[in-house]
Parts: sequence; structure tokens; C-alpha cells
Amino acid sequence: SQQGEEDPQALSIQEGENATMNCSYKTSINNLQWYRQNSGRGLVHLILIRSNEREKHSGRLRVTLDTSKKSSSLLITASRAADTASYFCATATSYNTDKLIFGTGTRLQVFP
Amino acid sequence: DVKVTQSSRYLVKRTGEKVFLECVQDMDHENMFWYRQDPGLGLRLIYFSYDVKMKEKGDIPEGYSVSREKKERFSLILESASTNQTSMYLCASSLNQGLAGGPQYFGPGTRLLVL
Repeated sequence: SQQGEEDPQALSIQEGENATMNCSYKTSINNLQWYRQNSGRGLVHLILIRSNEREKHSGRLRVTLDTSKKSSSLLITASRAADTASYFCATATSYNTDKLIFGTGTRLQVFP
Repeated sequence: DVKVTQSSRYLVKRTGEKVFLECVQDMDHENMFWYRQDPGLGLRLIYFSYDVKMKEKGDIPEGYSVSREKKERFSLILESASTNQTSMYLCASSLNQGLAGGPQYFGPGTRLLVL
């Protein structure tokens, strides 16, 4: 069962530009997480934001969460070619915080 | 750093064969998960385990079984492989943090082709 949907499905930008990806979900959550996947590899955890938080930063990453709209956004500032990857949001519900439900991902291409 | 390893990066099997995918984590995590990833469908949970010898079905358990005899190892078994099981298989582990929740740590994936 898909909980999160990312938008856009694909995004192409130049190095130095900012990249914004959005995630919408359907049910109440305990937390929302963002992961990165380089081509053909496993996923790497980027950042976790809890339902009582509105914004969180980690290096060049900024995540916002709007629980009233059931949506989140991931902003990557000053993108680099190495940021080229697929990005997934994943939600953990309040009744089962260990199990994550993943969206279908946004493919980001950063051109040098 | 957490390390999750999977027994093979690439695997080619024939229809009807029994297939074992092994996953090992070195951080004493209670939780372990098996996902499959297909284009346009994202990650779908096959099975997960909260403890040794415990298992729970995920969203798509049909055609699969699992085994967790030791805390660090979680095996996915395809009893009789079929072509529609051609996919990328990802293993993950996480710490049991109760109500807090936490991140999952993924292995590199096994790309399985069933002919």
C-alpha cells in the first residue's frame, strides 16, 4: 500500500541551483523520513522529521512538514552533480513506528 | 557505522528453482525487513521481523517465505522462482525505538533475474 507520493517524478537542474521535491501522504504519521538512492544501490537515510516538528536542517538539506496538508518538502540547496539520485519519502504511522511506507520517488538529475 | 550486507549483488535463476537471499547486519538491530523494488512501484514490503524467530507479512508476501534463526541474519526464500519475481531485492534493519521510530539502514541490494 502506497502512502507517500512524490512530486515531481523527475527533475533536471544545473549545478548550483536549488532542487525541491514534495511528498504527500494519506494517514496520520509519527514521523516522515527522506532517503536517497544512487543508481542500482541501496537507500541511504538522509533526515527524519517528527510529526510535532515543522522544519529541520541537515547541511544543504532542508525538510518541512505540514501535517494539516499531509505534505512534506525536501530542499537541496546549491546542488552538485553528486546529488544526482532518486529521492524517496517514507512515513511511519503512529500505531507502527517501525514499519515504513515508501513513496515512488523523485529522480533528480544535476548537470555539471 | 551500521553495515548491512546482502549475499549477492546479481543473481540469475531459472523458473522453479528455490532461491535464498541472505542479509546480515552488524549493529544488533532488532528489526529487519525485506523489500522488492520495481520501476514505477517504489519499495514494497515483503516480510519483516521484530525479533529472532518472529516474522510478519508485509504487503506482498505471496510466493515468499523468510527465516530468522539469529538476530543478525534474515533470509528471504523464493520457494519456486517465477519470472514475475525478477526484481531488485533490498534488505534493511533498524533499532526498535518503540514509539519514537527511527531510520532504516539498507543493504546494497540484490538484482534477481528469473529466466
